[in-house]
Amino acid sequence: QVQLVESGGGVVQPGRSLRLSCAASGFTFSSYGMHWVRQAPGKGLEWVAVISYDGSNKYYADSVKGRFTISRDNSKNTLFLQMHTLRAEDTAVYHCAKVRDSAFTYDAFDMWGQGTMVTVSS
Amino acid sequence: DIQMTQSPSSLSASVGDRVTITCQASQDISKYLNWYQQKPGKVPKLLIYDASNLETGVPSRFSGSRSGTDFTFTISSLQPEDIATYYCQQYDNLPPRLTFGGGTKVEIK
Repeated sequence: QVQLVESGGGVVQPGRSLRLSCAASGFTFSSYGMHWVRQAPGKGLEWVAVISYDGSNKYYADSVKGRFTISRDNSKNTLFLQMHTLRAEDTAVYHCAKVRDSAFTYDAFDMWGQGTMVTVSS
Repeated sequence: DIQMTQSPSSLSASVGDRVTITCQASQDISKYLNWYQQKPGKVPKLLIYDASNLETGVPSRFSGSRSGTDFTFTISSLQPEDIATYYCQQYDNLPPRLTFGGGTKVEIK
């Protein structure tokens, strides 16, 4: 059974850092591009970042570029999102998501984790 | 950057009604448009990929189509369990990025 489980969220002061993790199981993690998507309370979906299956390519939304870093450890089937210089507007539920087709880094998301809440507040 | 315009932002319809949601891209995105359903308190669920392909296990009352840069999502006969917010999503390579539409909240009249 394909499963994605995020962890690492919490309450953090503006300007501080946080590292999110996404543990994958039930599929060959090392073959799939992976994404982070966030959803602020009561708002829509916002794409955050993508990493290719082997970690060689990474891209970010303009809103997080230079502050967030996506990475992965294929030996541990885990995806990460390192977040620095956090702002109030980064407050959201952060989901990791798996692409549907392993041939493409960009594709529809056929599996989402339940998400981890990040609250940036003083 | 490619802009996605999703409409309407909300709608109210009766059980059995045909419901249509549209997403318009600001430039050609080929077939690369997907549709998701998000029920309250739940994670998004993929319904349609590449404009018109029904994801495995999704009821056939859901469908998608494309005409140029205009994409349409249809529920042929609205059911009570279809109450949700629906999002379109596109991706492009230059530069590599992905965009969601603003969402359409579907309610029962």
